[in-house]
Amino acid sequence: DQQVKQNSPSLSVQEGRISILNCDYTNSMFDYFLWYKKYPAEGPTFLISISSIKDKNEDGRFTVFLNKSAKHLSLHIVPSQPGDSAVYFCAARGVMKTSYDKVIFGPGTSLSVIP
Amino acid sequence: SAVISQKPSRDICQRGTSLTIQCQVDSQVTMMFWYRQQPGQSLTLIATANQGSEATYESGFVIDKFPISRPNLTFSTLTVSNMSPEDSSIYLCSVYPLHSYNEQFFGPGTRLTVL
Repeated sequence: DQQVKQNSPSLSVQEGRISILNCDYTNSMFDYFLWYKKYPAEGPTFLISISSIKDKNEDGRFTVFLNKSAKHLSLHIVPSQPGDSAVYFCAARGVMKTSYDKVIFGPGTSLSVIP
Repeated sequence: SAVISQKPSRDICQRGTSLTIQCQVDSQVTMMFWYRQQPGQSLTLIATANQGSEATYESGFVIDKFPISRPNLTFSTLTVSNMSPEDSSIYLCSVYPLHSYNEQFFGPGTRLTVL
């Protein structure tokens, strides 16, 4: 049972336009959400995160929106650049106790930004 | 942050053999994680390796198949034993920096092909 879903395996966007990557989750106990970016032959790198007490977090060209009632989050990239072409993983985590709580990753969306 | 290196970066192995993957971190960390990314799939947690204790394996992964060592706070190894073509994957080491449980940092991965 996939707890974190990214229903679009791939997405193509023109340079300068907005990229919107979507993610849905099923476990209401998740309270921290992350986006990672992965280039070929490299490990994933952290991009942006959001806590469940917020509905929006912004970092430069990247904004993550969280809709808890819909169990949905999205990553907006504005403006999109060719260097943004990568696989984007949505990830979710439960409440942190004294030790870590397992991070569940979605299947990823491959973004291509066309010059 | 944490800088992570992995050896080897890639290998092609014969069925029935074993491969040990090394993970080196540039700073001391409490928790180290081993993930697998099968072709076209997401990242799946294999086990958590804490220094001074046995690794904790996720459902579907066993110590006999994936023995892990964690001799100190900066190093870990994962062995893929008695390999079959189904073990062909990218294996990734990951850590939380000391005293920080916001985002994980990943190594570049080891691409394993089993013939």
